[in-house]
Amino acid sequence: ELKVEQNPLFLSMQEGKNYTIYCNYSTTSDRLYWYRQDPGKSLESLFVLLSNGAVKQEGRLMASLDTKARLSTLHITAAVHDLSATYFCAVVVTGTASKLTFGTGTRLQVTL
Amino acid sequence: DAGVIQSPRHEVTEMGQEVTLRCKPISGHDYLFWYRQTMMRGLELLIYFNNNVPIDDSGMPEDRFSAKMPNASFSTLKIQPSEPRDSAVYFCASSFASSGAFFGQGTRLTVV
Repeated sequence: ELKVEQNPLFLSMQEGKNYTIYCNYSTTSDRLYWYRQDPGKSLESLFVLLSNGAVKQEGRLMASLDTKARLSTLHITAAVHDLSATYFCAVVVTGTASKLTFGTGTRLQVTL
Repeated sequence: DAGVIQSPRHEVTEMGQEVTLRCKPISGHDYLFWYRQTMMRGLELLIYFNNNVPIDDSGMPEDRFSAKMPNASFSTLKIQPSEPRDSAVYFCASSFASSGAFFGQGTRLTVV
């Protein structure tokens, strides 16, 4: 059974600081996604990572994928309050078409 | 495109009643997913369809839950009879190829 683990589960950080969220998964994957969810809202797609070594950046967020280590990271640079949300990684296991399995989520709180 | 449309947005029902949740996927998408989100269990995949055909329903909790997709533009998730432990936010999502899943706004179900 596929397991997708994120850490930390909760992260409180000051504005202007850098931090990294980690996503580990337990089996071979075709691709990996990162999503953002604001409280009481839906999930918004941030990145899709399709191959080993893939790196995507959007604003203060950068995601990378190491398929050999079965690890993805979401790096936050110079955090701002607007980034406060819950971030999920989601994995598609090789051979399961588009079936997404989500991680536990990391709740990010950016404080002044 | 208006995105994935779910109805109702909120549903409060009494234990034992039948509940039907509805979803209209994004036009042209060939995958449709039903997820359930709770604080305790996170995001769980209940069932997904490809070209209107159910592919994997292993996440459906029990026989009280059923899902249909009679055509490419409509799907339902039915719970009969409903129980308080079914209270959750139910998300419908759709995708095409490796685009990643686009989520609807969700239906917040409360069973009293």
